This record gives sequence, C-alpha cells and structure tokens, in this order.
Amino acid sequence: AQSVTQLDSHVSVSEGTPVLLRCNYSSSYSPSLFWYVQHPNKGLQLLLKYTSAATLVKGINGFEAEFKKSETSFHLTKPSAHMSDAAEYFCVVSPFAGGTSYGKLTFGQGTILTVHP
Amino acid sequence: GAVVSQHPSWVICKSGTSVKIECRSLDFQATTMFWYRQFPKQSLMLMATSNEGSKATYEQGVEKDKFLINHASLTLSTLTVTSAHPEDSSFYICSARDRANEKLFFGSGTQLSVL
Repeated sequence: AQSVTQLDSHVSVSEGTPVLLRCNYSSSYSPSLFWYVQHPNKGLQLLLKYTSAATLVKGINGFEAEFKKSETSFHLTKPSAHMSDAAEYFCVVSPFAGGTSYGKLTFGQGTILTVHP
Repeated sequence: GAVVSQHPSWVICKSGTSVKIECRSLDFQATTMFWYRQFPKQSLMLMATSNEGSKATYEQGVEKDKFLINHASLTLSTLTVTSAHPEDSSFYICSARDRANEKLFFGSGTQLSVL
C-alpha cells in the first residue's frame, strides 16, 4: 500500500522569496517519487523525479527536492520564486524504484502556489 | 475526500481488439477530465482534454480515431483504444476537475498490455 500527503493545499509567497512545498509519503516498497506541475489549461509537466539514486534531486526551472527516508518526506524547494511558478503542484509516488516503467501512481492532493509581485 | 475511480486497473488484450477504460468521479461533478499516457521510463503525457457534452481536444500527435474519448455525463469519461496493437501497451491515467472548487483529482491508472 502507498499514500502521499501534501501538507499544504495553498502556499502563497512573494516573488524572489523561497518556495517550500511539503510532501510526505508512505510505501511498502522502495518508492519512486515525482513532482509534477500543472499550469492553467495545460497538462501535467514533470519537474523532477527520485528513483533511488542521489537523494537530492535537481529539476527544471530551478526546483529541487530532497528524499529523506527517515522522515518519509520529499519536499519541493526553490530558492527564489518567479511569477511564472504560480501553478498547482502534485507529489506522486510509485512503488517501483528505478523508474516508472509500469506502476501504480498515487497522487497527492495538490498544492496551489500563488506568487505575489 | 473526492475520489476518481478508474477501471479496469489492469487489462490484457489481443492485438486488433478494442479496450474501454472508464474514469468516474464518485462524489463530485467533473466538467473537465484529462487523459494521460505514460511510456516506459518517461513522464505522463497528456493525450486529450474532454469537456462534458462536447468533443475532446486532442494533443498534437494523438490519433483521434485511435483513442476515442467520450464524456457523456458530469461523472463519467471513457477512453477506448480501438484496434489495439502492442505499441499501445502503456499506463493510462485520468484526472477530473471538480466543478465546485476546480480541484484536480486523479484515477489510479490502467495498465494496458496488448499481446
């Protein structure tokens, strides 16, 4: 069994300040973990993924996330928010380490990020 | 919380047959549903967006006649893979946008294997 919890449904930051989107997971297997972003009227876009390699994962657009097994967390961060980062973000867990070739994906509830000028 | 039921979760079929995948919002109305496909070791790719009562909008490169999408009610969208071939084997997942609050919820996915 697996589950993922995004701890904040909404996060609001000012442009240029750090972003932290929190995600906790549970999994009976060694998981693969992902962060996806969805901008209005667009499909999901993969930001980054963890597949049992380096625990600090760097993604696109300056985002990164750290896999902490002891805390069962995979929080998404960015040092400086940009207006274009405003979107909805989803943390996703898959039970298959090494990639998501085939596997049951479990999505978090989503976090809406608002960026103020 | 809101639940999106996707069925079946796993299907194996012979080449040339058609397979229907259902995506149902159990406790909310969804004006918009999305269908995604995941190729091995790649991220999810949006196939089409369906709005209740109207034709689906397909992404570039997705064959409309191959992947038939029907969104006949506010709680049900179906994806039919017609004349399936082994290259259609993939993981398909749907999502639904809650009409009341615009939140997005995901199904658990369907693993299709075409022999």
